[in-house]
Amino acid sequence: QKEVEQNSGPLSVPEGAIASLNCTYSDRGSQSFFWYRQYSGKSPELIMSIYSNGDKEDGRFTAQLNKASQYVSLLIRDSQPSDSATYLCAVKTAGNMLTFGGGTRLMVKP
Amino acid sequence: EAQVTQNPRYLITVTGKKLTVTCSQNMNHEYMSWYRQDPGLGLRQIYYSMNVEVTDKGDVPEGYKVSRKEKRNFPLILESPSPNQTSLYFCASSSSQGTDTQYFGPGTRLTVL
Repeated sequence: QKEVEQNSGPLSVPEGAIASLNCTYSDRGSQSFFWYRQYSGKSPELIMSIYSNGDKEDGRFTAQLNKASQYVSLLIRDSQPSDSATYLCAVKTAGNMLTFGGGTRLMVKP
Repeated sequence: EAQVTQNPRYLITVTGKKLTVTCSQNMNHEYMSWYRQDPGLGLRQIYYSMNVEVTDKGDVPEGYKVSRKEKRNFPLILESPSPNQTSLYFCASSSSQGTDTQYFGPGTRLTVL
């Protein structure tokens, strides 16, 4: 079992809709959680980090963390075609390694 | 401009021919790491370094070497490349192990024939 799991997608949503991306992790000692966005052929860029249970909002993005259930999610409100990318969930484990999920490809259709 | 640079950006080589991919950051970051990205497998950490002369293995260190003699540089060395090391490689840095915003370099696409 992979340590960080994501549905590979593609997840297709219409423009203006809410895109919901999910990630589960196996290491209960994990303390830091991140969402990166990666456009095709480009390097990942950090869009959200979350460290405690609950929601964290930043503009159109909301990260949600539930440590008891070992999942972290990313909501993108008012999705735009420019949001079309692969979204990578990353978890920093107790051993200080940053482990990435395989990524979910999001397609926002005009 | 704060950045992580990698060279070369593209490299085609043959099995067994030693190569080095350089990585440099200008942000005075302590923490640097190397990842490889393969379709369906996501980003996997090869090696990381928490400071000068301190390096440690990540998930997939076999076939790779690193060194950290200066804070700004963290080269990745493939002593005897093999075709299964064909991949997209990213270098990343962050200010410390506790500050988790990692800045990624532009990537190096390596093909080993």
